[in-house]
Amino acid sequence: GESVGLHLPTLSVQEGDNSIINCAYSNSASDYFIWYKQESGKGPQFIIDIRSNMDKRQGQRVTVLLNKTVKHLSLQIAATQPGDSAVYFCAENSHSGGGADGLTFGKGTHLIIQP
Amino acid sequence: DAGVTQSPTHLIKTRGQQVTLRCSPKSGHDTVSWYQQALGQGPQFIFQYYEEEERQRGNFPDRFSGHQFPNYSSELNVNALLLGDSALYLCASSLEWGTTEAFFGQGTRLTVV
Repeated sequence: GESVGLHLPTLSVQEGDNSIINCAYSNSASDYFIWYKQESGKGPQFIIDIRSNMDKRQGQRVTVLLNKTVKHLSLQIAATQPGDSAVYFCAENSHSGGGADGLTFGKGTHLIIQP
Repeated sequence: DAGVTQSPTHLIKTRGQQVTLRCSPKSGHDTVSWYQQALGQGPQFIFQYYEEEERQRGNFPDRFSGHQFPNYSSELNVNALLLGDSALYLCASSLEWGTTEAFFGQGTRLTVV
């Protein structure tokens, strides 16, 4: 079936280091990919998205890379800070009916920042 | 500018009961989607409302129903509650049907006992 999944459930990095969170997807019809950050007790917070016709997109301290050949998505966080500790979800979205479909989320990666 | 607001924040119900959860979208947003998030899992899409109609539905039984009002706010109703319905229910709104950036509320934590 079509799914979005993450390679690692937990990622521990030192404060100040760069973090890379990976995601694999299987729906070749997906045309948007989104990264969300979810802190404990809160709803998911939009970080960055990328369209399927792009390979890379940069935001503030974050970069998303899309490799359509191997159906792989990654989120790079530069100089991680304690506030980056959270669960990160990748989600995919398609427009099969013309409008945005419901998002399909992966299980999430728990990013732990060590002092 | 208020973001997406949901009520109540927490709720405890007994198996077999019915529950209604409410969502007010971000100002100017007209599309509302509902998601169920079990503990330790990613959100699962329930359905989406636009122009007061259900536009798309995920793999959830008919016990889950919804409504969107003219002011774009929305309700999620769950009938005949099961223990497995215990989860965080998230509401997301977006600017218009077709955009990708969905803003999520804090969620309603439903516990079925």
